[in-house]
Amino acid sequence: EADIYQTPRYLVIGTGKKITLECSQTMGHDKMYWYQQDPGMELHLIHYSYGVNSTEKGDLSSESTVSRIRTEHFPLTLESARPSHTSQYLCASSAGQFEAFFGQGTRLTVV
Amino acid sequence: QKEVEQDPGPLSVPEGAIVSLNCTYSNSAFQYFMWYRQYSRKGPELLMYTYSSGNKEDGRFTAQVDKSSKYISLFIRDSQPSDSATYLCAMSPPSGGSNYKLTFGKGTLLTVNP
Repeated sequence: EADIYQTPRYLVIGTGKKITLECSQTMGHDKMYWYQQDPGMELHLIHYSYGVNSTEKGDLSSESTVSRIRTEHFPLTLESARPSHTSQYLCASSAGQFEAFFGQGTRLTVV
Repeated sequence: QKEVEQDPGPLSVPEGAIVSLNCTYSNSAFQYFMWYRQYSRKGPELLMYTYSSGNKEDGRFTAQVDKSSKYISLFIRDSQPSDSATYLCAMSPPSGGSNYKLTFGKGTLLTVNP
């Protein structure tokens, strides 16, 4: 079992609210990622980090922001949630080239 | 054209069948090829990986890469109901610099019926 945790698992929230999705890993990995996954669609990379104070936008444009102040923590924030943000968000970490460990995901619904 | 194409299925087979899952890709820079398995309501987990071309076997699972055709496959022998999951192929270029990003296929939903 991978030591990467996401909270909350499920979130239903109203339009315009600010939300933060938490992701923590205890493996000491320097690389961390946020993916967005919709049913029947690919995992799309929205943010990644190769270390503390290093963050980059991924291939899919996203209105969310991330921070990496500590190695083990990589939260994702939406300042003003909209229904178009409804999706599953997956956090992952890795030490190398290919073995990314994923969290259980946060299923976000914006009403 | 998408970088990675994968038939989403769904694929339904009887227990004991041989399953073949496939992906094609267009980026010739990809060198690492992976298969992830995702059970319902869980995050993906790495099943197998291959570097460059060739075959790799792990128990009932065999991964094949044909770089000349830009085609990768995952074979599951003697499939079991516990193999029922979504299988995602993923690829990445050589390591170094900013090249630690994985590009995923859509995933193929597999159901193995007892």
